[in-house]
Amino acid sequence: QKEVEQNSGPLSVPEGAIASLNCTYSDRVSQSFFWYRQYSGKSPELIMSIYSNGDKEDGRFTAQLNKASQYVSLLIRDSQPSDSATYLCAAYPGDTDKLIFGTGTRLQVFP
Amino acid sequence: GAVVSQHPSRVICKSGTSVKIECRSLDFQATTMFWYRQFPKQSLMLMATSNEGSKATYEQGVEKDKFLINHASLTLSTLTVTSAHPEDSSFYICSARYTGELFFGEGSRLTVL
Repeated sequence: QKEVEQNSGPLSVPEGAIASLNCTYSDRVSQSFFWYRQYSGKSPELIMSIYSNGDKEDGRFTAQLNKASQYVSLLIRDSQPSDSATYLCAAYPGDTDKLIFGTGTRLQVFP
Repeated sequence: GAVVSQHPSRVICKSGTSVKIECRSLDFQATTMFWYRQFPKQSLMLMATSNEGSKATYEQGVEKDKFLINHASLTLSTLTVTSAHPEDSSFYICSARYTGELFFGEGSRLTVL
Protein backbone atom coordinates (compact mmCIF):
# COMPACT_ATOMS: atom_id res chain seq x y z
CA GLN A 1 0.00 0.00 0.00
CA LYS A 2 1.23 3.48 -0.86
CA GLU A 3 1.75 5.80 2.06
CA VAL A 4 -0.86 8.28 0.84
CA GLU A 5 -3.49 7.33 -1.73
CA GLN A 6 -6.08 9.35 -3.59
CA ASN A 7 -8.50 8.69 -6.39
CA SER A 8 -7.28 10.64 -9.42
CA GLY A 9 -10.78 11.63 -10.50
CA PRO A 10 -12.00 13.73 -12.08
CA LEU A 11 -14.68 14.40 -9.55
CA SER A 12 -17.39 16.48 -11.17
CA VAL A 13 -19.91 18.38 -9.06
CA PRO A 14 -22.41 21.10 -9.91
CA GLU A 15 -21.96 24.61 -8.63
CA GLY A 16 -23.33 24.97 -5.11
CA ALA A 17 -22.95 21.29 -4.23
CA ILE A 18 -20.66 19.75 -1.64
CA ALA A 19 -17.47 18.26 -3.03
CA SER A 20 -16.01 15.41 -1.02
CA LEU A 21 -12.38 14.49 -1.54
CA ASN A 22 -10.90 11.47 0.16
CA CYS A 23 -7.45 10.23 1.04
CA THR A 24 -6.32 7.03 2.72
CA TYR A 25 -2.99 6.47 4.39
CA SER A 26 -0.81 3.67 5.61
CA ASP A 27 0.68 2.95 9.01
CA ARG A 28 3.96 4.43 7.82
CA VAL A 29 2.77 8.04 8.02
CA SER A 30 2.43 10.17 11.09
CA GLN A 31 -0.65 11.88 12.35
CA SER A 32 -0.13 15.23 10.61
CA PHE A 33 -2.15 15.69 7.43
CA PHE A 34 -2.44 18.48 4.92
CA TRP A 35 -4.63 19.42 1.99
CA TYR A 36 -3.20 21.47 -0.86
CA ARG A 37 -4.93 22.94 -3.87
CA GLN A 38 -3.06 23.17 -7.16
CA TYR A 39 -4.43 25.06 -10.11
CA SER A 40 -3.21 24.01 -13.53
CA GLY A 41 0.25 25.42 -14.16
CA LYS A 42 0.61 26.77 -10.64
CA SER A 43 2.31 25.57 -7.49
CA PRO A 44 0.43 23.94 -4.58
CA GLU A 45 -1.26 26.15 -2.02
CA LEU A 46 -1.92 24.99 1.52
CA ILE A 47 -5.62 24.91 2.35
CA MET A 48 -5.89 23.01 5.60
CA SER A 49 -3.85 21.06 8.10
CA ILE A 50 -5.32 18.59 10.56
CA TYR A 51 -3.65 16.79 13.37
CA SER A 52 -6.45 15.50 15.63
CA ASN A 53 -9.25 13.07 15.10
CA GLY A 54 -12.48 14.76 14.07
CA ASP A 55 -13.42 17.78 11.99
CA LYS A 56 -11.71 21.08 11.39
CA GLU A 57 -13.57 23.85 9.63
CA ASP A 58 -12.25 26.92 7.83
CA GLY A 59 -14.78 28.85 5.81
CA ARG A 60 -16.24 26.59 3.13
CA PHE A 61 -13.65 23.91 3.81
CA THR A 62 -13.87 21.12 6.36
CA ALA A 63 -11.12 18.57 6.91
CA GLN A 64 -12.04 15.30 8.58
CA LEU A 65 -9.57 12.88 10.11
CA ASN A 66 -10.48 9.34 11.10
CA LYS A 67 -7.47 7.59 12.57
CA ALA A 68 -9.25 4.31 13.18
CA SER A 69 -10.11 3.96 9.50
CA GLN A 70 -6.95 5.74 8.32
CA TYR A 71 -8.57 8.28 6.09
CA VAL A 72 -8.67 12.01 5.82
CA SER A 73 -11.27 13.94 3.84
CA LEU A 74 -11.77 17.44 2.56
CA LEU A 75 -15.29 18.76 2.12
CA ILE A 76 -15.92 21.87 0.08
CA ARG A 77 -19.34 23.39 0.66
CA ASP A 78 -21.09 25.59 -1.90
CA SER A 79 -18.60 24.57 -4.56
CA GLN A 80 -17.69 27.23 -7.09
CA PRO A 81 -16.18 26.90 -10.57
CA SER A 82 -13.10 28.61 -9.12
CA ASP A 83 -12.63 25.56 -6.88
CA SER A 84 -11.85 23.51 -9.97
CA ALA A 85 -8.29 22.32 -9.38
CA THR A 86 -6.28 19.32 -8.29
CA TYR A 87 -6.37 18.65 -4.56
CA LEU A 88 -3.36 17.01 -2.99
CA CYS A 89 -3.38 15.12 0.27
CA ALA A 90 -0.07 15.01 2.14
CA ALA A 91 1.36 13.55 5.32
CA TYR A 92 4.67 13.18 7.09
CA PRO A 93 6.15 9.71 7.34
CA GLY A 94 6.97 8.77 10.88
CA ASP A 95 10.72 8.69 10.42
CA THR A 96 11.47 11.71 8.24
CA ASP A 97 10.55 15.35 7.75
CA LYS A 98 9.86 14.95 4.01
CA LEU A 99 6.22 15.49 3.22
CA ILE A 100 4.68 12.68 1.20
CA PHE A 101 2.05 13.63 -1.37
CA GLY A 102 -0.77 11.67 -2.89
CA THR A 103 -1.21 11.80 -6.64
CA GLY A 104 -4.05 14.27 -6.30
CA THR A 105 -7.73 14.33 -7.18
CA ARG A 106 -8.91 16.59 -9.95
CA LEU A 107 -12.10 18.43 -9.08
CA GLN A 108 -14.34 19.97 -11.72
CA VAL A 109 -17.15 22.27 -10.63
CA PHE A 110 -19.52 23.00 -13.47
CA PRO A 111 -21.94 25.95 -13.59
CA GLY B 1 0.93 31.74 6.28
CA ALA B 2 4.57 32.06 5.42
CA VAL B 3 5.73 33.39 2.07
CA VAL B 4 8.18 31.60 -0.20
CA SER B 5 9.26 33.32 -3.38
CA GLN B 6 10.91 31.84 -6.44
CA HIS B 7 12.68 33.45 -9.35
CA PRO B 8 12.53 33.28 -12.31
CA SER B 9 8.99 32.07 -12.92
CA ARG B 10 9.81 31.10 -16.49
CA VAL B 11 13.08 30.45 -18.23
CA ILE B 12 13.93 29.27 -21.70
CA CYS B 13 17.45 28.19 -22.45
CA LYS B 14 19.46 26.41 -25.06
CA SER B 15 20.58 22.84 -24.63
CA GLY B 16 23.92 22.63 -22.85
CA THR B 17 23.58 25.81 -20.85
CA SER B 18 23.09 26.12 -17.10
CA VAL B 19 20.15 27.71 -15.36
CA LYS B 20 19.93 28.97 -11.79
CA ILE B 21 16.66 29.17 -9.85
CA GLU B 22 16.42 31.07 -6.59
CA CYS B 23 14.13 30.31 -3.68
CA ARG B 24 13.67 32.73 -0.81
CA SER B 25 11.73 32.60 2.42
CA LEU B 26 10.53 36.17 2.76
CA ASP B 27 9.20 36.42 6.29
CA PHE B 28 10.83 33.56 8.14
CA GLN B 29 14.11 31.71 8.33
CA ALA B 30 14.38 28.26 6.81
CA THR B 31 17.23 25.96 7.72
CA THR B 32 15.76 23.39 5.35
CA MET B 33 14.18 23.85 1.97
CA PHE B 34 12.86 21.25 -0.43
CA TRP B 35 13.07 21.15 -4.20
CA TYR B 36 10.40 19.39 -6.23
CA ARG B 37 9.93 18.74 -9.91
CA GLN B 38 6.63 18.19 -11.64
CA PHE B 39 6.11 16.99 -15.19
CA PRO B 40 2.78 17.73 -16.93
CA LYS B 41 -0.15 15.86 -15.42
CA GLN B 42 2.10 14.07 -12.96
CA SER B 43 2.65 14.20 -9.21
CA LEU B 44 5.14 16.30 -7.36
CA MET B 45 8.45 14.51 -7.07
CA LEU B 46 10.89 15.46 -4.35
CA MET B 47 14.34 15.98 -5.82
CA ALA B 48 16.41 17.06 -2.85
CA THR B 49 16.49 18.58 0.58
CA SER B 50 18.53 21.74 0.89
CA ASN B 51 20.26 22.26 4.23
CA GLU B 52 21.62 25.63 5.30
CA GLY B 53 25.35 25.51 5.70
CA SER B 54 25.77 21.91 4.62
CA LYS B 55 25.38 19.64 1.63
CA ALA B 56 22.03 18.91 0.13
CA THR B 57 20.48 15.49 0.41
CA TYR B 58 19.33 14.06 -2.92
CA GLU B 59 16.56 11.57 -3.55
CA GLN B 60 17.36 8.31 -5.24
CA GLY B 61 17.83 8.71 -8.97
CA VAL B 62 18.51 12.45 -8.87
CA GLU B 63 21.95 13.38 -10.18
CA LYS B 64 23.64 15.67 -7.68
CA ASP B 65 26.21 16.86 -10.23
CA LYS B 66 23.45 17.91 -12.60
CA PHE B 67 21.21 19.59 -10.06
CA LEU B 68 23.47 21.70 -7.88
CA ILE B 69 21.90 23.02 -4.71
CA ASN B 70 23.32 25.74 -2.54
CA HIS B 71 21.73 26.93 0.69
CA ALA B 72 24.07 29.73 1.70
CA SER B 73 21.79 31.59 4.07
CA LEU B 74 18.71 31.03 6.19
CA THR B 75 16.50 32.65 3.57
CA LEU B 76 17.98 31.59 0.25
CA SER B 77 18.43 28.31 -1.57
CA THR B 78 19.43 27.99 -5.20
CA LEU B 79 19.04 25.17 -7.69
CA THR B 80 21.31 25.15 -10.71
CA VAL B 81 20.46 22.85 -13.57
CA THR B 82 23.78 22.26 -15.26
CA SER B 83 24.19 21.38 -18.92
CA ALA B 84 20.44 21.38 -19.37
CA HIS B 85 18.84 19.15 -21.97
CA PRO B 86 15.29 19.04 -23.31
CA GLU B 87 14.40 16.20 -20.94
CA ASP B 88 15.11 18.58 -18.03
CA SER B 89 12.21 20.75 -19.15
CA SER B 90 9.82 20.73 -16.23
CA PHE B 91 8.17 22.74 -13.48
CA TYR B 92 10.56 23.19 -10.56
CA ILE B 93 9.07 24.17 -7.22
CA CYS B 94 10.79 24.95 -3.96
CA SER B 95 9.24 24.82 -0.52
CA ALA B 96 10.08 25.56 3.08
CA ARG B 97 8.55 24.52 6.34
CA TYR B 98 7.19 26.98 8.86
CA THR B 99 5.56 25.87 12.12
CA GLY B 100 5.23 22.35 10.75
CA GLU B 101 3.46 23.36 7.55
CA LEU B 102 5.08 23.32 4.12
CA PHE B 103 4.76 26.39 1.94
CA PHE B 104 5.60 26.47 -1.74
CA GLY B 105 7.15 29.05 -3.99
CA GLU B 106 5.41 30.04 -7.19
CA GLY B 107 7.41 27.56 -9.23
CA SER B 108 9.81 27.98 -12.14
CA ARG B 109 8.94 26.59 -15.54
CA LEU B 110 12.05 25.56 -17.40
CA THR B 111 12.02 24.97 -21.14
CA VAL B 112 15.20 23.67 -22.72
CA LEU B 113 15.36 24.04 -26.49
